[in-house]
Amino acid sequence: KNEVEQSPQNLTAQEGEFITINCSYSVGISALHWLQQHPGGGIVSLFMLSSGKKKHGRLIATINIQEKHSSLHITASHPRDSAVYICAVVGSNTGNQFYFGTGTSLTVIP
Amino acid sequence: GAGVSQSPSNKVTEKGKDVELRCDPISGHTALYWYRQRLGQGLEFLIYFQGNSAPDKSGLPSDRFSAERTGESVSTLTIQRTQQEDSAVYLCASSRPGPKQFFGPGTRLTVL
Repeated sequence: KNEVEQSPQNLTAQEGEFITINCSYSVGISALHWLQQHPGGGIVSLFMLSSGKKKHGRLIATINIQEKHSSLHITASHPRDSAVYICAVVGSNTGNQFYFGTGTSLTVIP
Repeated sequence: GAGVSQSPSNKVTEKGKDVELRCDPISGHTALYWYRQRLGQGLEFLIYFQGNSAPDKSGLPSDRFSAERTGESVSTLTIQRTQQEDSAVYLCASSRPGPKQFFGPGTRLTVL
């Protein structure tokens, strides 16, 4: 059983569409990360959340601690948003153990 | 350099050889993490350092894997007697006190 589940696994969108990627987790957490992995393999940390909502440019991340759920939204998607998006949580009772989702592969078509 | 650096960027080795991977964290970052990503799979946590101590080694897959860190500086991940299943991209990340991590570019290890 995975501690972190993401959906969808794969997503294809037309440029300009609004995109939502979901993450559910089963462990107690101290923080949740959204990571972006580019086709070349480089990883960028997009957001770190412990409550509420954060916005950066066209990206919005929300977390509901009670429901153990987070969403990553991309508004006005663009082909350069094509990447794998990974949800990762920091366990609150396991030292600094990270649990990773398997990622959502996003392709934005011009 | 402002970011996390790793070396080598690529390493090809023969089965049974030892390899050493290096990570230079961002200056002032007290925490350092090693992850592994096998082809087509998600990230796996390997080990976490706070300063030069490793409170969480739970992700190391076997006793062939070890890691050290000098103070709050460079870390090395050593894999002894490499096996083909060790082939992966090994990623390092660092952070200040707090959970926001900055990732390095990774080392791609291929074991023939």
